[in-house]
Amino acid sequence: KQEVTQIPAALSVPEGENLVLNCSFTDSAIYNLQWFRQDPGKGLTSLLLIQSSQREQTSGRLNASLDKSSGRSTLYIAASQPGDSATYLCAASNFNKFYFGSGTKLNVKP
Amino acid sequence: GAGVSQSPSNKVTEKGKDVELRCDPISGHTALYWYRQSLGQGLEFLIYFQGNSAPDKSGLPSDRFSAERTGGSVSTLTIQRTQQEDSAVYLCASSLVAGIQETQYFGPGTRLLVL
Repeated sequence: KQEVTQIPAALSVPEGENLVLNCSFTDSAIYNLQWFRQDPGKGLTSLLLIQSSQREQTSGRLNASLDKSSGRSTLYIAASQPGDSATYLCAASNFNKFYFGSGTKLNVKP
Repeated sequence: GAGVSQSPSNKVTEKGKDVELRCDPISGHTALYWYRQSLGQGLEFLIYFQGNSAPDKSGLPSDRFSAERTGGSVSTLTIQRTQQEDSAVYLCASSLVAGIQETQYFGPGTRLLVL
């Protein structure tokens, strides 16, 4: 069974810093990897989806990379803002099942 | 357009009672997923529906859990004889079709507390 781990569990940074969130998975036979954002009391919002054949995806200040061979993905957030404060989840997919990590709770201090 | 909606948003029940959780997916989405998120844990896959195909129930934790999807749209997750360990946030998601290129859109979840 796929196991997804996210490090760190929590992160607090001052506004403006660039930061990296890490995600690792045990089974490299994934179809895609997706990063989500979860705000308190709300559902998940998809941020970036990387297909297994891709190495990275970018959206605005976010960049996600994927290294299947090493079982790792990173989410890079540039010039962090207080509005980025949320829990970030990564999920590895083996077609129609997503396996989620437990998330990194990010706090960006003004 | 409207996103995925879930009801109720919060549910408190007594141990041993049955509960029903409802999910309205985005119109036109053929794939629907249920997940459970326990405190401090990641999301746990429960069940998946794709069109008229037989659902993938491999994630259901016990036979007290069941789900239906009527008319290919609304889904109901039923938990019978609830236990305290069933307390969690139950999230529903839908996607246009099932598959590797499809993003899942999540509802806000139902917070279930079993006393």
